[in-house]
Amino acid sequence: SYELTQPPSVSVSPGQTARITCSGDALPKQYAYWYQQKPGQAPVLVIYKDSERPSGIPERFSGSSSGTTVTLTISGVQAEDEADYYCQSADSSGTYQIFGGGTKLTVL
Amino acid sequence: EVQLVQSGAEVKKPGESLKISCKGSGYSFTSYWIGWVRQMPGKGLEWMGIIYPGDSDTRYSPSFQGQVTISADKSISTAYLQWSSLKASDTAMYYCARRVGTAMAVFDYWGQGTLVTVSS
Repeated sequence: SYELTQPPSVSVSPGQTARITCSGDALPKQYAYWYQQKPGQAPVLVIYKDSERPSGIPERFSGSSSGTTVTLTISGVQAEDEADYYCQSADSSGTYQIFGGGTKLTVL
Repeated sequence: EVQLVQSGAEVKKPGESLKISCKGSGYSFTSYWIGWVRQMPGKGLEWMGIIYPGDSDTRYSPSFQGQVTISADKSISTAYLQWSSLKASDTAMYYCARRVGTAMAVFDYWGQGTLVTVSS
């Protein structure tokens, strides 16, 4: 079955750049999406179609894609960015969605 | 304003049945897929399935096929997730979410979540 692989954790100091990767065989053919989830809250979409940012999401959030890996980059990390981040994509039909295992971002 | 409002927390015993709901407002309910996502305690997000309220077309993740039933009542803009016989392993937070479109497999709005606890 199709899987998306993320690192379990990433740690950065405030003001630095955090990069969270997500790998999957179908990523060259299907868009990737990123969600932020803070404790006790529902997920929030922060990147769609690999690199587009929804309205209201700070410019420090960006996304990129290269082959079978997509990357969420948070530039100038702030304490409020500490959260779990999930990548999500779809199977080859585009019907069935799948989430990566999630990455816990810790701001030191 | 798009809103998805879910029903409240539930505490059930193993073997009992349950139906939780997700009411949409602020948009055309029949024109967007609604999905359900499970999050077990301390774990990640799992895609369970989606329904198109316009014609009740439903797709299930193989992991959840036969374990739950997804339905919708378009007359009251509400989607449902139900179990016929709960297990302790069904204890989780369940989120509903609006899918942007058939071609764009992404959830743009989420409900607040419904916590289901199954314990004897």
